[in-house]
Amino acid sequence: AQSVTQPDIHITVSEGASLELRCNYSYGATPYLFWYVQSPGQGLQLLLKYFSGDTLVQGIKGFEAEFKRSQSSFNLRKPSVHWSDAAEYFCAVARMEYGNKLVFGAGTILRVKS
Amino acid sequence: NAGVTQTPKFRVLKTGQSMTLLCAQDMNHEYMYWYRQDPGMGLRLIHYSVGEGTTAKGEVPDGYNVSRLKKQNFLLGLESAAPSQTSVYFCASSSGNQPQHFGDGTRLSIL
Repeated sequence: AQSVTQPDIHITVSEGASLELRCNYSYGATPYLFWYVQSPGQGLQLLLKYFSGDTLVQGIKGFEAEFKRSQSSFNLRKPSVHWSDAAEYFCAVARMEYGNKLVFGAGTILRVKS
Repeated sequence: NAGVTQTPKFRVLKTGQSMTLLCAQDMNHEYMYWYRQDPGMGLRLIHYSVGEGTTAKGEVPDGYNVSRLKKQNFLLGLESAAPSQTSVYFCASSSGNQPQHFGDGTRLSIL
């Protein structure tokens, strides 16, 4: 069965500092990978996705993620964090063969220090 | 440009009561999903549908039922609510191999 691990429950970074959120997945086939962001009291917004091709994918709000098959990882990065990036971030893997079902990691809460 | 709309946004129930959560999407998506979100556990799939008239169980289906009588609507029912079903419920929809679009959630408390 597929699973997603986000090792960091909370991360605190200073505004302007770089950010990396870790995601590791377990999946028996070529994965479809996603990062979503959730602001308090809101639904989930898609940041970026990886289906195939270039392993470095660009998303919205200046985020990028790199797919590394050898490490089963899909880490999210941003070179300079803004206070508005404070939110919860979810990594997810999809089973595309029936219903595109998502399996989510537990999430990482990002706090930004001014 | 509504996307995915969930009704209601908040609800408080007593143990044993029943209720139905409504999800409506205006994007003509084939697939629809219901998730629950609990602290430290991410989102877990309750039930999903790959088309009008079809439903299937997800990871945590016990205590819930669903129906998809119309393509644009996906209903989640709790027949006899339990405190363990206190959660935030999210509906999502998608088409083909495209990412899921999420509603803003329903916060449900069972006393």
